[in-house]
Amino acid sequence: GEEVAQTPKHLVRGEGQKAKLYCAPIKGHSYVFWYQQVLKNEFKFLISFQNENVFDETGMPKERFSAKCLPNSPCSLEIQATKLEDSAVYFCASSQSPGSGNTIYFGEGSWLTVV
Amino acid sequence: GQNIDQPTEMTATEGAIVQINCTYQTSGFNGLFWYQQHAGEAPTFLSYNVLDGLEEKGRFSSFLSRSKGYSYLLLKELQMKDSASYLCAVRGGMDSSYKLIFGSGTRLLVRP
Repeated sequence: GEEVAQTPKHLVRGEGQKAKLYCAPIKGHSYVFWYQQVLKNEFKFLISFQNENVFDETGMPKERFSAKCLPNSPCSLEIQATKLEDSAVYFCASSQSPGSGNTIYFGEGSWLTVV
Repeated sequence: GQNIDQPTEMTATEGAIVQINCTYQTSGFNGLFWYQQHAGEAPTFLSYNVLDGLEEKGRFSSFLSRSKGYSYLLLKELQMKDSASYLCAVRGGMDSSYKLIFGSGTRLLVRP
């Protein structure tokens, strides 16, 4: 597709429940990034993929967060046993190769509310 | 370390010009991006600079000086709809896996 597609747009979970978010990158883009935005403008990097391979996972909380990008499937970000502090907007972004001139495009975001 | 600084808030008048500055210190550099984000929406790409100089795109221009670690976004003929947050982000090199490092954003309020 011509845009980064994220689902669901809104998700409400009780503390301790699982949350799973999906992202379809722009067709032809081989890099996928997940960011968490809490309190308006603070963007926190979570993880990136090059095709189906984890490229950088240094931002991922190890215990409860996991992510995958499998061939012919949307990428996913899963949070086990959600906590109140996980309430945030989760943005997925994609780009072609990281070379000069290749823009990173963002999806609409998934709003996770943990109650 | 990685650090990107931009003013927290700015106010300007409709029809005027505003310049939003951004300074950065990053371990690698693979381009600087400006995004616009309206409340509750996704960041929208505005501009990209990887070489020194000015890039102009309609009412928006962006400038980069790599030696000074400095960029600015210039918005001309301000409109009310330009009220939004403006995010400065640097794309790191391979050592930081080409990810975007964001500043905290500048909230711009355009007044009539």
